[in-house]
Order: sequence, then structure tokens, then C-alpha cells
Amino acid sequence: EAGVAQSPRYKIIEKRQSVAFWCNPISGHATLYWYQQILGQGPKLLIQFQNNGVVDDSQLPKDRFSAERLKGVDSTLKIQPAKLEDSAVYLCASSGRTEDTQYFGPGTRLTVL
Amino acid sequence: AQSVAQPEDQVNVAEGNPLTVKCTYSVSGNPYLFWYVQYPNRGLQFLLKYITGDNLVKGSYGFEAEFNKSQTSFHLKKPSALVSDSALYFCAVRRGSTLGRLYFGRGTQLTVWP
Repeated sequence: EAGVAQSPRYKIIEKRQSVAFWCNPISGHATLYWYQQILGQGPKLLIQFQNNGVVDDSQLPKDRFSAERLKGVDSTLKIQPAKLEDSAVYLCASSGRTEDTQYFGPGTRLTVL
Repeated sequence: AQSVAQPEDQVNVAEGNPLTVKCTYSVSGNPYLFWYVQYPNRGLQFLLKYITGDNLVKGSYGFEAEFNKSQTSFHLKKPSALVSDSALYFCAVRRGSTLGRLYFGRGTQLTVWP
């Protein structure tokens, strides 16, 4: 079974630029999560989708971050404009309909200069 | 509010010795507890979980964890450490729901010396 795929693996941008990350969850997994992991901290949930609907986006900075999950499969997370403090690893995870466990992708390391 | 504490930033053990990585949690309702491991430049890999049942749960790579409700702890253990176990370990908690968010600790860096 293929795992969660993410791209790109690394991204370096200047502040105030925009950036987008892509995630493809494990086949058949209805729930998809985006987490932000700042260096030295544990991951923090940004947004959770159930199929193509948002379940929890309470921690998403909506003035600059947006996410979508069209057709309930792939998802993209966008930052516009980026700030220095957005430098982090962005992790995508997915879980099945009755599965308690979240499975994570390799992450995208974002550096904002 | 849900939270996880990993009181040790670093744990160092010699190869072949037992290891323990500590975790305490706070959650309203029944906890779902998880351990993940992260190797450099990799995502999080699932090790084991406690949902209900036996307080001692066994997971991947010889790891196990003991759920202690009275002490609100979920310590990760392994009887004999390997150098290849060196990595960053995260404890996470969720309320008793299959769709709830995970709350992670800050992580514990485990180093196993040969």
C-alpha cells in the first residue's frame, strides 16, 4: 500500500511571496490533515478535511493560509503572502473511515528568507 | 483542553540497555494515545497506540508502552535498545473520537550509544 505523498520536499522563498504544497493521501482514506511543525516543537494541526468538507480549521491563519480538497482526494495548502515565521515543515496525514491512526507523509520543509 | 508533556528533551542510553521515554497527558474524556518516531528529514512513523483494553500495548520494532490512567502517563519502553533506535519520538493524545485532532508533545531526542 502506497503511503501519503507530498511535494515538493523542500521550498525556499522570499517573504511576501506565495507558495503551495500538494498532498495525495493513502487510497481510500476519507480524512486528511495538514500539520505545521516548527523546529523544536511537535506538529500542530492547521486544518482537517472529511472527504472534501472542512471539519476543523480553528488553528489556520486564514488571512494568509488557505487549503482545499477538491473531489475529496488530493489537497493543496497555500500561503500568501509568506512571513518569516512560516518557516517550518508542513506535514500531511490521512486516516481511514474507521481507522484511529493517522499516517503521515514525508513533509515539505519551507524556508522563508 | 488537551495537552501532552514530554519532560525530557533528550534521553541517552547504551546499546543493549532498556530505554524509557516519558509522556504524560491531559484530556477530557477517554484518551486515545499514540507514539510516533521521526528520523531526520522524514515524516512521522506510527509506532503504537492505546485506545482501550490491555494497559500494555506492543508496537513496531520491539517497542511497547504502558497506559497508566491514575498517573495520566503513557511511557514508551524497549527492553534492549539499538543504535538504529536513535531518533526523535513524539507522544500524542486525542479525545475518544475517531476524527479528533492529535495534540503532540515537543518530542524527545533518543540517542543510543554503541
